[in-house]
Amino acid sequence: AQTVTQSQPEMSVQEAETVTLSCTYDTSESNYYLFWYKQPPSRQMILVIRQEAYKQQNATENRFSVNFQKAAKSFSLKISDSQLGDTAMYFCAFMKGDSGYALNFGKGTSLLVTP
Amino acid sequence: GAVVSQHPSRVICKSGTSVKIECRSLDFQATTMFWYRQFPKKSLMLMATSNEGSKATYEQGVEKDKFLINHASLTLSTLTVTSAHPEDSSFYICSAGGMGTSGRSHEQYFGPGTRLTVT
Repeated sequence: AQTVTQSQPEMSVQEAETVTLSCTYDTSESNYYLFWYKQPPSRQMILVIRQEAYKQQNATENRFSVNFQKAAKSFSLKISDSQLGDTAMYFCAFMKGDSGYALNFGKGTSLLVTP
Repeated sequence: GAVVSQHPSRVICKSGTSVKIECRSLDFQATTMFWYRQFPKKSLMLMATSNEGSKATYEQGVEKDKFLINHASLTLSTLTVTSAHPEDSSFYICSAGGMGTSGRSHEQYFGPGTRLTVT
């Protein structure tokens, strides 16, 4: 079974600063996908960024980027120029390539962006 | 992206009654849908996976007779909580797996969730 670990239950960052959320995972699979989801107070799950394991290049989506270290099984999320609207729960998730889309979630990191 | 709707967004029911939650993929066909349960300030817990036209696969510890899942079409899955009790009160989220409009494989699109309160 795959496990996803987020070791930071809560984090805080000032507006315009940069913050990194950590995520590690454990798997014996070679074909898989990694995701970061954001869940704001509305509780709607929003896909922030995804990474295919077979791609060496780190994924980037505007202010969001990942540091994917496949050998270390690490998948951290960097948020640059933090905005108040980034305040949310962030979940790291793992999907096996042949799983039929099932996601394994980490426990989440609550991020607070302060003025 | 792709849009997944859930209805109702909030429901209050009396103990012992049943309640049905609908999950619809609005602009794509979802071969697989998922139902999650989320407790306050906790992560999403997968309850079951449903494939169109076949029986749902339940995760260990989830009572299949209590949480009835029907995936009758490629755009609709329903979760019925039967004989609800206060401990069933929770936030239920559905998601649909598919390519959506992005054309990318291996993505899940989430509904906005349903808050169930059993009194």
